[in-house]
Amino acid sequence: EAGVVQSPRYKIIEKKQPVAFWCNPISGHNTLYWYLQNLGQGPELLIRYENEEAVDDSQLPKDRFSAERLKGVDSTLKIQPAELGDSAVYLCASSSTRQGSPGNEQFFGPGTRLTVL
Amino acid sequence: QKEVEQDPGPLSVPEGAIVSLNCTYSNSAFQYFMWYRQYSRKGPELLMYTYSSGNKEDGRFTAQVDKSSKYISLFIRDSQPSDSATYLCAMGWTYKYIFGTGTRLKVLA
Repeated sequence: EAGVVQSPRYKIIEKKQPVAFWCNPISGHNTLYWYLQNLGQGPELLIRYENEEAVDDSQLPKDRFSAERLKGVDSTLKIQPAELGDSAVYLCASSSTRQGSPGNEQFFGPGTRLTVL
Repeated sequence: QKEVEQDPGPLSVPEGAIVSLNCTYSNSAFQYFMWYRQYSRKGPELLMYTYSSGNKEDGRFTAQVDKSSKYISLFIRDSQPSDSATYLCAMGWTYKYIFGTGTRLKVLA
């Protein structure tokens, strides 16, 4: 079974430029998460999707961040314009409500490492 | 005060040692308690999860939850150099996890 796929793996941009990250979840996983991980910190949830609906976007800075999950499969996270403080790793995870695990195990992708100059 | 507190380390131990990793938390409503392992430049992978107070064992790993003290632990027996990674505790509810900062572990051959 293929894992969560993210691209690009690394991205370097200048401040004020736009940037987009792409995520392909595990096949059949209806829940998709975007997390932000700063250096030396744990992941922090940005947004959660149930199928194509964003059900928790309370931590997403909506002035510059946006996300979409068309057709309830792949998802894109965008930052426009990027700021120096956005340099971090952006992780995508997916889970399935049909799994038996009571915690709904989240499977993480390798992340996209963003550097804003 | 953060909801989840975890010592960032780093923690260095000799191969074969027993490793103890810990987290404390403040929210008594947390239902699930998890440990993730994260290798450098990789995403976190789930090691253990528990729902209630007590111990859960899986091979060389034992997870322990003490809800009365709001304290969770992960023990690694017979540690190996391949266990060198960052260990993140996470806790919360279905779909909503709060992660600790992670403890960097290095097992020396």
